[in-house]
Order: sequence, then structure tokens, then C-alpha cells
Amino acid sequence: EVQLVDSGGGLVKPGGSLRLSCAASGFTFSNAWMSWVRQAPGKGLEWVGHIKSKSDGGTTDYAAPVKGRFTISRDDSKNTLYLQMNSLKTEDTAVYYCTTESGIVGATYPDYWGQGTLVTVSS
Amino acid sequence: SYELTQPPSVSVSPGQTARITCSGDALPKKYAYWYQQKSGQAPVLVIYEDSKRPSGIPERFSGSSSGTMATLTISGAQVEDEADYYCYSTDSSGNHRGVFGGGTKLTVL
Repeated sequence: EVQLVDSGGGLVKPGGSLRLSCAASGFTFSNAWMSWVRQAPGKGLEWVGHIKSKSDGGTTDYAAPVKGRFTISRDDSKNTLYLQMNSLKTEDTAVYYCTTESGIVGATYPDYWGQGTLVTVSS
Repeated sequence: SYELTQPPSVSVSPGQTARITCSGDALPKKYAYWYQQKSGQAPVLVIYEDSKRPSGIPERFSGSSSGTMATLTISGAQVEDEADYYCYSTDSSGNHRGVFGGGTKLTVL
């Protein structure tokens, strides 16, 4: 059974940093593309970014609002996905979900989802 | 930036057919995917690659796509189908960034 457990959320001041983690089990993590999706309170879903498997190059891509501030990384030896968030803004306040990405290159999509972890950016 | 457009709300009576649309310029070349999100829960994939249904999703959920519009159809909607529904696709840039529609609140009553 695929399990994704998100953690690391909390309260942080504007301009601060936070690192989220996602512990994965039940599938071959090293072969998986992974992504982060967020949801601001009372709002819709927003794709944050993804990381390819190392065998597919291990590259990352990001949505425009977070590019240059957020970094997605992975530790295949620990079956763990990370989201490093720097220069946080109040508009980054959201529940952050880790997801697996399925599909073919050019047509990947979030498949399995974690339970989410809440990040609140406030002074 | 690329956008997917959904109606904010759709309302049907139990047993009726609900249709939720999603429009986007790249949909003739890109698949659409649909997610159901109930209050306080993580989203669940209900349709992938325009019209395929994951295992465990009831047959009343179906999807189609034509031109710049994708449609999620719930035939014989039930009270438990009341939820927010989001379409998803990727942009046509070489980086294949993901994008969600704004979401549609389905009310069944």
C-alpha cells in the first residue's frame, strides 16, 4: 500500500525558511517522480513543483510563484522527499501535499497524496 | 501563464446527471485529469488521461475531452458525491508544468 506522510509544517515569520519532508513507503521511491501541491485556506489546489527520478535525470521544475525561493530534493536512501522553502511570504500560507506523479513524460499527474502539512506565514 | 477554467459551482438533485467542464487552450494536445476533494480530506483521482477511471472509482464517474474542453460527468449523482472537483493538466511548454483549474463545488440536494 502506498503511503506518504507529510511533516515539518508550522508557523514561520515572513522572510523565514522552513523545510517540509515526505516519508514514502509501499512503492519503489527511487523510480518515482514526486511533486508538491499546495492549498491556501479556503482556496483551490496549486501545483508547486516536481522532481524526476534520478534515472530520468533527477531534474526539478517549479511554478512561477515559488521559482527561485523553493527547492525540491530527494534522498532515495531514506525514501524521503523534501521541500525547502526560503524567503517565505504570507501568500505561501497553505496546506502542502506531497504526491507521487504517474503517467508518461509530458503527461504526468499527481496520483497518490499525503495527508498534508500546514504552513502558516505570519508575523 | 497557462490557465484551466472551471465553473465555480454546479448543483443537481440526487439521481440527476452532473457535468463539470474545464476549458484550456492546450487541452487538444494534453490530457485532462479530475480530482475529487471532500471537506478536510486530501484530493482523490477520479479520472485520468481524459476518460480512464482508476480502480475503486464508481462507474457513474466518466470523463471526455473535445477540443479545448474536458468534461467530468457523474451519472446518477449521489449525496456522497458532493465535493469540490478540480481538473488538472500540464502546460505545453517543454517543462510540462502542472496546472489545476480553480475548482467546482458540486452540490447534490
